[in-house]
Amino acid sequence: DAEITQSPRHKITETGRQVTLACHQTWNHNNMFWYRQDLGHGLRLIHYSYGVQDTNKGEVSDGYSVSRSNTEDLPLTLESAASSQTSVYFCASSAGVNQPQHFGDGTRLSIL
Amino acid sequence: SQQGEEDPQALSIQEGENATMNCSYKTSINNLQWYRQNSGRGLVHLILIRSNEREKHSGRLRVTLDTSKKSSSLLITASRAADTASYFCATDDNQGGKLIFGQGTELSVKP
Repeated sequence: DAEITQSPRHKITETGRQVTLACHQTWNHNNMFWYRQDLGHGLRLIHYSYGVQDTNKGEVSDGYSVSRSNTEDLPLTLESAASSQTSVYFCASSAGVNQPQHFGDGTRLSIL
Repeated sequence: SQQGEEDPQALSIQEGENATMNCSYKTSINNLQWYRQNSGRGLVHLILIRSNEREKHSGRLRVTLDTSKKSSSLLITASRAADTASYFCATDDNQGGKLIFGQGTELSVKP
């Protein structure tokens, strides 16, 4: 069965460090998304991609970057981790317009 | 910015009762989707309703959409303890499949 996997599931790191969260999907979807989920804010879009070599900024993109070198993967990088980036991060993919998004189980990131 | 606002924020009912959650949004949409999230897990898609549809059913789920009022409702009939989860509405803003999520309704179904 097709799936979308995130790794690691949990990570603790220190402020100022670079952190990369992995997202891998086997749906062969063109569209991929990164969200963060915080109490009181719901899910907020960080970055998204509509295909290889395409990346776009979402609502809360400052301090984050993504790259899309193939269909399956969209890694999310925190260039210099800040305590405000402590959150649960979700990756999702979809086949396109009017299609549902499929989510991974998230990465819980704590920045001390 | 949040597009969808959900009401209520929390709902507690007994098994067998119906649960109704509401979602309001601000701008025109291509479609509206409902998702469920169990504790510690990712979101799971439940149902998608397009802007030209008014009602849609899937098993015990019934979704309505009123584009004139910019609102939607999700009804879960004959609820079960396993329905305990957070429920989110999300709107497709007509820009390529990008979704904007509401803050969710936390549903607790007591056995």
